[in-house]
Amino acid sequence: DVKVTQSSRYLVKRTGEKVFLECVQDMDHENMFWYRQDPGLGLRLIYFSYDVKMKEKGDIPEGYSVSREKKERFSLILESASTNQTSMYLCASSSGMANEKLFFGSGTQLSVL
Amino acid sequence: AQSVAQPEDQVNVAEGNPLTVKCTYSVSGNPYLFWYVQYPNRGLQFLLKYITGDNLVKGSYGFEAEFNKSQTSFHLKKPSALVSDSALYFCAVSRRGATDSWGKLQFGAGTQVVVTP
Repeated sequence: DVKVTQSSRYLVKRTGEKVFLECVQDMDHENMFWYRQDPGLGLRLIYFSYDVKMKEKGDIPEGYSVSREKKERFSLILESASTNQTSMYLCASSSGMANEKLFFGSGTQLSVL
Repeated sequence: AQSVAQPEDQVNVAEGNPLTVKCTYSVSGNPYLFWYVQYPNRGLQFLLKYITGDNLVKGSYGFEAEFNKSQTSFHLKKPSALVSDSALYFCAVSRRGATDSWGKLQFGAGTQVVVTP
């Protein structure tokens, strides 16, 4: 089975800190995604990547950036964390076809105080 | 643009009774449709998908979903619910044949299913 691993299950950070969320997948998938999950809003796409060093903005990219230096690793960066970025962050990966399912990590619950 | 609506925040059902979770979608062109489930403190798990062909799709854990193009719906169903089916369910859509949306899913807000013994 595909494994998508997120480096932290829970994180607590201070306003203004730079935050790195790491995600690694082990199935050589081309596509990787970062979503945030908020009650009543479902999952919203922040950024995605179709290939190494390639990134595309999702629906809510403001305040975030990403890095994909290696195919298996996709990092989400909060340059200056704010309280409205307190959320559950989910990483996912998939093969290159539109009809293929996503494989999700267990999520990182980030609290910004 | 594509969107998904799950009109019910929560569905309550007694164990052994049929379970239905509703989903309607809006997308230009033909859709790919998915259902995912999230158990407490876990990531999302794939349940089933509609790509083309038979409108009735069977998936994991005894779930099935029916694609209805005229009503733009993709409701999730299970004939006999179990307590262990209690979880958060998400419907998602992507646009078929569009290279700029490959793998990029639009999710609904989610429906909490509570199955009581």
